[in-house]
Amino acid sequence: KAGVTQTPRYLIKTRGQQVTLSCSPISGHRSVSWYQQTPGQGLQFLFEYFSETQRNKGNFPGRFSGRQFSNSRSEMNVSTLELGDSALYLCASSLGQGPYQETQYFGPGTRLLVL
Amino acid sequence: ILNVEQSPQSLHVQEGDSTNFTCSFPSSNFYALHWYRWETAKSPEALFVMTLNGDEKKKGRISATLNTKEGYSYLYIKGSQPEDSATYLCAFIGSYNYQLIWGAGTKLIIKP
Repeated sequence: KAGVTQTPRYLIKTRGQQVTLSCSPISGHRSVSWYQQTPGQGLQFLFEYFSETQRNKGNFPGRFSGRQFSNSRSEMNVSTLELGDSALYLCASSLGQGPYQETQYFGPGTRLLVL
Repeated sequence: ILNVEQSPQSLHVQEGDSTNFTCSFPSSNFYALHWYRWETAKSPEALFVMTLNGDEKKKGRISATLNTKEGYSYLYIKGSQPEDSATYLCAFIGSYNYQLIWGAGTKLIIKP
């Protein structure tokens, strides 16, 4: 079974631009969660999508948004990029049968650098 | 502000030795605790999902225990091998918002 894939793997943007990151979950998984990892803050939960609906959202500004398609693939978008958005963005998929009492499988991440 | 603490921050262990480290989390509104292993240049890999007080999980040489009443979990590695070198992360999920709150991790380095 193919694992979780994320594209692109690396990205360089400038302040004020917007960016879209993509995540394809493991086949059959319906839940996709997104996380941000920075040296200062560690790993932080962004949001979780299940069956095309946002089921949970972390404490991030409205510039961070996401969506999920009918095939469970998910995208996250960051508008008006700031230097502090430079981070590793990870997505994880799970079957989605219950909120986080099941194993999550992580993708390799997208490393975003904002200049 | 909810805090998930992991100790120690880093650990050097001789190959063949056993080791353990701690994850401390809020003792109220417990829903689940996850343990992950994250090797450099790889994706985080799930080790255990723990949901009940007194839970004990085992996967090969790695095991974990859970005490939700006092708010801690221990991860044990028996007979450390070089391939165990990684950062071990725990994530707490509370029943008030069902969001993962991550610890900063314990970086384990196995010396041959």
